[in-house]
Amino acid sequence: SHELTQPPSVSVSPGQTASITCSGDKLGHQFSFWYQQKPGQSPVLVIYRDNRRPSGIPERFSGSSSGNTATLTISGTQAMDEADYYCQAWDSSTAVFGGGTKLTVL
Amino acid sequence: QVQLVQSGAEVKEPGASVKVSCKASGYIFTTYGINWVRQAPGQGLEWVGWISPYNGNTNYAQNLQDRVTMTTDSSTSTANMELRSLRSDDTAVYYCARGRNYDSFDYWGQGTLVTVSS
Repeated sequence: SHELTQPPSVSVSPGQTASITCSGDKLGHQFSFWYQQKPGQSPVLVIYRDNRRPSGIPERFSGSSSGNTATLTISGTQAMDEADYYCQAWDSSTAVFGGGTKLTVL
Repeated sequence: QVQLVQSGAEVKEPGASVKVSCKASGYIFTTYGINWVRQAPGQGLEWVGWISPYNGNTNYAQNLQDRVTMTTDSSTSTANMELRSLRSDDTAVYYCARGRNYDSFDYWGQGTLVTVSS
């Protein structure tokens, strides 16, 4: 089965750059997607197809993918970016999510 | 604007069935699939399955395929997910999310809490 591995937690100071990684054997052959989820809220798509940003998502969110690792980067992190982040990919008609990364801004 | 509005919270006993609905608006219903994703308390996201309102094609998560059925009603732009033989570990918030096959989940419903308890 396809598994996606994320670090459980990442900490960043306000104004600094946060990077969240997602590793999986098949990421090199599949697009990666990223979702932000704040407590008590539904997930929100922040990056699709590795590096594309939906309308309404701030420019400080970017994505990249190389080899078997996808990376979500938040430049100039703000307090409002504190949330759980999930990567996601497709494998043989099955959607797979990473375990999630809690981003703490302190 | 695109909206997905889900039915209300449910409490079920073990062994029962639950049906959660998701009413779409703001776009042509048959042009996008509907995914279902669940999240157990304090846990991560788990994909349940996908249905195409265009032709009714479905893909279900392997661990749930024997107990889940997804349907759509194009006349009301509504997607439904039924889960049978409920167990305590099915307790979760169930989300519907718009998305084409192999693509992103770009709009999400507000979630429906399903509690399985005797």
